[in-house]
Amino acid sequence: DADVTQTPRNRITKTGKRIMLECSQTKGHDRMYWYRQDPGLGLRLIYYSFDVKDINKGEISDGYSVSRQAQAKFSLSLESAIPNQTALYFCATQDRGDEQFFGPGTRLTVL
Amino acid sequence: KNQVEQSPQSLIILEGKNCTLQCNYTVSPFSNLRWYKQDTGRGPVSLTIMTFSENTKSNGRYTATLDADTKQSSLHITASQLSDSASYICVVASGGSYIPTFGRGTSLIVHP
Repeated sequence: DADVTQTPRNRITKTGKRIMLECSQTKGHDRMYWYRQDPGLGLRLIYYSFDVKDINKGEISDGYSVSRQAQAKFSLSLESAIPNQTALYFCATQDRGDEQFFGPGTRLTVL
Repeated sequence: KNQVEQSPQSLIILEGKNCTLQCNYTVSPFSNLRWYKQDTGRGPVSLTIMTFSENTKSNGRYTATLDADTKQSSLHITASQLSDSASYICVVASGGSYIPTFGRGTSLIVHP
């Protein structure tokens, strides 16, 4: 079984809709991250969490919110999706050696 | 501001040939540097980690180097295979921070 899972894997939605991307992990790591990836721009940090009560904004948090329901679960929400949020979204965990373990990604298209 | 620059942005080589990817960083204080491989449609996976005291580290056909004085790293791929086609991302961790700095990646295409 995959250590970091993301659902859904693909999603097409319309402008203005609320959407939630979910991430679960079985690695037992406290640190979890949400990134978006756009062609030519690389991975950019949206939000990160070091435990259930510690949630922080990344460099591009506007238009997004997160929830850390448990050590194993970290969800990303788009309250009112817009077309420029079309991207590939990755959830990741991080171990004490700073290695990040990524999920398979969610491809989101906002029409 | 911490930054990681990678070159080239993209690279096309023939199967069996060698290639070298470059990474320059301005991250302080430096903790470690990792190279990740990202296959199309998948999440990145760590290939190697370099700490301050390490100059060279190999992982099969992948060899990473680190020059902490000039703040440069390279990833050398020997005898390339079609499966090496991927994006290679340089990531630098800063001491005391759990937020690594990512380069934008080098897209490598290996042609038969």
